[in-house]
Amino acid sequence: QQPVQSPQAVILREGEDAVINCSSSKALYSVHWYRQKHGEAPVFLMILLKGGEQKGHEKISASFNEKKQQSSLYLTASQLSYSGTYFCGTEGANDYKLSFGAGTTVTVRA
Amino acid sequence: GAVVSQHPSWVICKSGTSVKIECRSLDFQATTMFWYRQFPKQSLMLMATSNEGSKATYEQGVEKDKFLINHASLTLSTLTVTSAHPEDSSFYICSASWPGQGLVGPQHFGDGTRLSIL
Repeated sequence: QQPVQSPQAVILREGEDAVINCSSSKALYSVHWYRQKHGEAPVFLMILLKGGEQKGHEKISASFNEKKQQSSLYLTASQLSYSGTYFCGTEGANDYKLSFGAGTTVTVRA
Repeated sequence: GAVVSQHPSWVICKSGTSVKIECRSLDFQATTMFWYRQFPKQSLMLMATSNEGSKATYEQGVEKDKFLINHASLTLSTLTVTSAHPEDSSFYICSASWPGQGLVGPQHFGDGTRLSIL
């Protein structure tokens, strides 16, 4: 089942922060985050494996609440290069594949 | 970083033609490759999981006879769209991974193939 992402879109000015949420209706083994720029393929950002785990990539970090079956991606002090569509991909315990959310389009303006 | 090469980048062909798309992992051996389809401004929809040396596992609703997948080696998987029709027009993306982090592992995507059937 496809995870639910929110918001669908967000517009930021450089330096502002944003949070993207991803929730699943089933128990999760891991959560992946990817960013796709227009006309390009998605790029892997990070994977979270444990409940409560937090990771970071540049000033982008994420958390994973295993009990709530939710993950959040934090964009801190956003840069123009952060613009793109962010997808979460969820993996169930026996899935061996990812289900992707609908995506969140982030636009960072100068 | 890991590199996945996908060819061709775009294809325009007549209805009824079969089209083959290649996905290669250039600097690692990919035990598993995935094929996705993406419509404009939409998410990645998994079509099938391709495992080296075994039959592909197709998602519900994906026609096996229409979308033929072959994973002959640890570095190459191919997707053939047989007798393509306009409704098959889409952006097709492959990804390759190896286990180690999670069951599936981080996905490394090819650049995608834009398929337009006239």
